[in-house]
Amino acid sequence: QVTLKESGPVLVKPTETLTLTCTVSGFSLSNAKMGVSWIRQPPGKALEWLAHIFSNDEKSYSASLKSRLTISKDTSESQVVLTMTNMDPVDTATYYCARMYSSCWYAFDSWGQGTLVTVSS
Amino acid sequence: DIQMTQSPSSLSASVGDRVTITCRASQSISSYLNWYQQKPGKAPKLLIYAVSSLQSGVPSRFSGSGSGTDFTLTISSLQPEDFATYYCQQSYSSPRTFGGGTKVEIK
Repeated sequence: QVTLKESGPVLVKPTETLTLTCTVSGFSLSNAKMGVSWIRQPPGKALEWLAHIFSNDEKSYSASLKSRLTISKDTSESQVVLTMTNMDPVDTATYYCARMYSSCWYAFDSWGQGTLVTVSS
Repeated sequence: DIQMTQSPSSLSASVGDRVTITCRASQSISSYLNWYQQKPGKAPKLLIYAVSSLQSGVPSRFSGSGSGTDFTLTISSLQPEDFATYYCQQSYSSPRTFGGGTKVEIK
């Protein structure tokens, strides 16, 4: 059974750095057919893709947020970490991690439950 | 970046209605078009990938069609559990972009 679970702070202050961890099970981050993305959703708004990482360490970032984002993985711990610097209240959102699978043409076939991050002083 | 435009942004329909949602890409994305359903407070769920391939466990009343830049999600007979927000998404290239969503509400 494939599962993903996000963890991290529920509240961060403006200008702080957010670090989120996605812990996966049921598949390996070394599997060449799979990758993991981070996606966020501000309250009442649409989904926004942030970044992804593949087994070969290929990374890609949202153009508008690239300067603030870093994605990495620890294959032995089955974790994908996203850091976002200089947090602002507009970054308040539910943050999801999701698996991308080549058999589904790299659609997001499994998602974590999401974690709500509020940015406020 | 490839922009994904969905229409309508919302619609009202009755149980049993046939519902169609459209998604347009700003450039050709071949068949790398996916559809998700999201209910309030829940993570999105993959319904259809590669334009028309039904994800395992998804009811057959959901179908997808299209190619290149224009795509459609159809629900043949709307059921009470289908009231939700639907998103299209392209997996052709990075950044992986989503449409703005279509909220399907009860008439």
